[in-house]
Amino acid sequence: SSVLTQPPSVSVAPGKTARITCGGNMFGSKSVHWYQQKPGQAPVPVIYYDSDRPSGIPGRVSGSNSGNTATLTISRVEAGDEADYYCQVWDSVTDHREFGGGTKLTVL
Amino acid sequence: QVQLVESGGGVVQPGGSLTLSCAASGFTFAISAMNWVRQAPGRGLEWVCFISYDGKKESYADSVRGRLTISRDNSKNTLYLQMNGLGADDTAVYYCARDSEGGYFDFWGQGTLVTFSS
Repeated sequence: SSVLTQPPSVSVAPGKTARITCGGNMFGSKSVHWYQQKPGQAPVPVIYYDSDRPSGIPGRVSGSNSGNTATLTISRVEAGDEADYYCQVWDSVTDHREFGGGTKLTVL
Repeated sequence: QVQLVESGGGVVQPGGSLTLSCAASGFTFAISAMNWVRQAPGRGLEWVCFISYDGKKESYADSVRGRLTISRDNSKNTLYLQMNGLGADDTAVYYCARDSEGGYFDFWGQGTLVTFSS
């Protein structure tokens, strides 16, 4: 089981805002990264270092990290956003990487 | 452009061994740290192991330590994963992923499937 806690599923209507949370201990000292994975495809990074967007990721995708919770926010949700989303951190003490359990985003 | 191409997957017998490869191109492999990440059918992503750019530092998830070994050949731009003592829990798609500063996986391969068969 993962030490990063994500809700198994989030549902949202097209055009609305989806928020996917990721909880973990001492989050404030760790950067959180987010990946999108569609069926049969490799994961794609959508947010890194809490809130930075890789090139090609639209501005309606954003991230934040405060206290013990990181949040991926997708505004003006589209059908193409339907996917699994994973948060991930690096523990500099153990040098281990860790993924959250994943959240399935359903666009109604 | 950056490309990571995994190969070597297949069906493995109980206690069998397998070596996966990841051929890298489009970037300077010799200065890039790398990882293996796996995903069991219908399950989430699981980080497996990491290797530094020069191969001098490795780290492993507790679930695979002692059974899987990561290595690299910078002269061939290739990453490897030696898998021994395989069991049903090792059935998964195995991805190689480049490690960026802060433990961020900025590029991923398409994966190779390893299936344990009893």
